[in-house]
Amino acid sequence: ETGVTQSPTHLIKTRGQQVTLRCSSQSGHNTVSWYQQALGQGPQFIFQYYREEENGRGNFPPRFSGLQFPNYSSELNVNALELDDSALYLCASSSDRDAEAFFGQGTRLTVV
Amino acid sequence: AQSVSQHNHHVILSEAASLELGCNYSYGGTVNLFWYVQYPGQHLQLLLKYFSGDPLVKGIKGFEAEFIKSKFSFNLRKPSVQWSDTAEYFCAVLPYGQNFVFGPGTRLSVLP
Repeated sequence: ETGVTQSPTHLIKTRGQQVTLRCSSQSGHNTVSWYQQALGQGPQFIFQYYREEENGRGNFPPRFSGLQFPNYSSELNVNALELDDSALYLCASSSDRDAEAFFGQGTRLTVV
Repeated sequence: AQSVSQHNHHVILSEAASLELGCNYSYGGTVNLFWYVQYPGQHLQLLLKYFSGDPLVKGIKGFEAEFIKSKFSFNLRKPSVQWSDTAEYFCAVLPYGQNFVFGPGTRLSVLP
């Protein structure tokens, strides 16, 4: 176990709906990154939060947004869901003292 | 843009065979290099990492990797695989001050 927990583990949504995914980071970590892993592909970086501020963003549209809370847990919000948003969404936490990232088990999102 | 390529999409080996998974990256600056493993239904786990120093790094479960800077490569090796090594393997690059870039993954199937 990595100490990074994500919820829910599985989710089915309809195209056009909105979804919120949650991540609790490992104790002592102040940085959370989100990744999208489509079937058969490697994780793709969505964005990173450091001390409640967005600290880098990948090539994802604005309908992907996030938050980080004072306890360093984080949310990923996706609006206007599209079929191609179906994927495993991974959260990783790290500290600014060590580049190693610890991953959660992910949330499997299916958009129908 | 930075990219990571992995030489093989799917590798099939018999138990006790030797393993080498290729990884190349395109980035000219300072990078940290990682290999992650994803067992079926589980989260990404760190196998090993290279930050600096000895280019031959040893990780968990008998895995090792060699960083060859002139070839922009970071190949993963194991002298004798076991059935329990069946998993998806991801090479990842962390350019200094940036975020992880993952390769597409190599699926390893070990036949008993």
